[in-house]
Amino acid sequence: DTEVTQTPKHLVMGMTNKKSLKCEQHMGHRAMYWYKQKAKKPPELMFVYSYEKLSINESVPSRFSPECPNSSLLNLHLHALQPEDSALYLCASSRGIRISTKGSYGYTFGSGTRLTVV
Amino acid sequence: AQRVTQPEKLLSVFKGAPVELKCNYSYSGSPELFWYVQYSRQRLQLLLRHISRESIKGFTADLNKGETSFHLKKPFAQEEDSAMYYCALRGETSGSRLTFGEGTQLTVNP
Repeated sequence: DTEVTQTPKHLVMGMTNKKSLKCEQHMGHRAMYWYKQKAKKPPELMFVYSYEKLSINESVPSRFSPECPNSSLLNLHLHALQPEDSALYLCASSRGIRISTKGSYGYTFGSGTRLTVV
Repeated sequence: AQRVTQPEKLLSVFKGAPVELKCNYSYSGSPELFWYVQYSRQRLQLLLRHISRESIKGFTADLNKGETSFHLKKPFAQEEDSAMYYCALRGETSGSRLTFGEGTQLTVNP
């Protein structure tokens, strides 16, 4: 299995709803990431988990709450979002967060969850 | 701070013509550079890593530390190369933070 799987593919939610995005990989990668991508824009890093511990939070509002239950799963819990939070949310994974003498191997991205907040 | 600049938002070439997508970076140490491609309605895919010096789908990219550039080149563009291309940088001291350029939308016309 060489993929990162994200569910759901599409999500429409109201500003008072609570929902969760899920991400799964079975490549043995120990680093997992959440990115946010607006239309025609590059991905923006939100969170990084390394060995199931949160290592980077890019000053993301608390209405986004990440969770890493185990090395294969990554969740993003959503609550009280705003319409401007509508975007494509991408999950990615990599072997680790450190660069070895052989370099890192790049990230494997999921296909994303297209979120619309109404 | 690390920064990646892709000066062309849009690039249009004819099939069979050479193509070069420019990428310049700003980083004080030894960075790792990547090219990612995003075809229409598909996931972001790793195309090239500078450290592997490989050629994927006929594309090559050479890291020029003097000019701080990592331009992506292909001698003969194909219609299926039409996509959004992102240059990305990972710094040795930035942990796992991958910084993307704004992207170049390549269109290869028949």
